[in-house]
Amino acid sequence: GAGVSQSPSNKVTEKGKDVELRCDPISGHTALYWYRQSLGQGLEFLIYFQGNSAPDKSGLPSDRFSAERTGGSVSTLTIQRTQQEDSAVYLCASSLGGQGGQPQHFGDGTRLSIL
Amino acid sequence: DAKTTQPPSMDCAEGRAANLPCNHSTISGNEYVYWYRQIHSQGPQYIIHGLKNNETNEMASLIITEDRKSSTLILPHATLRDTAVYYCIVRVAGYNQGGKLIFGQGTELSVKP
Repeated sequence: GAGVSQSPSNKVTEKGKDVELRCDPISGHTALYWYRQSLGQGLEFLIYFQGNSAPDKSGLPSDRFSAERTGGSVSTLTIQRTQQEDSAVYLCASSLGGQGGQPQHFGDGTRLSIL
Repeated sequence: DAKTTQPPSMDCAEGRAANLPCNHSTISGNEYVYWYRQIHSQGPQYIIHGLKNNETNEMASLIITEDRKSSTLILPHATLRDTAVYYCIVRVAGYNQGGKLIFGQGTELSVKP
């Protein structure tokens, strides 16, 4: 079946511009997560959506980062006034529910480069 | 979430079993052990998870010690395509408590011909 889909796969933009990254989760998955992976670094949690509950935004690094999930499906991660340190691979994952026993399945990410 | 300790790198001969260890000595009774792997330029791939009992699926086996302080991921017949970074993660089991995965540095497995 279809996995998690992310677009674009690559994005190059100038410092100071805003960017939007899209995630289409696996159909029927109620939980959705965003992570990022900087060059040579591990995966860092950003934000988590579960059903109609308030999202867990504890991993967002600054107020330039925001995310929304419309209709309980597609999610968009927005970075405003991008900085060079925002360059990273942004990964989206989804799971059947928020329980710890439900594995998260990842997309292949959006590689963001800030010039 | 409990922390995990893994060797930074391991080698394995093609066709042999790859046994990847993980220590999680501070694991709580309600935390699962998860294994993921990441092949270059791809997102992490889920492999297997378990709570107390050993588990097996089409990809691998997970052996958890009785005291749950360590586990081993077994790839029974490693191929060159199994070359990847393998992550061992512990994760809270409760509903709406098990959100984020905390990734460490993992083990870089190199399968050699």
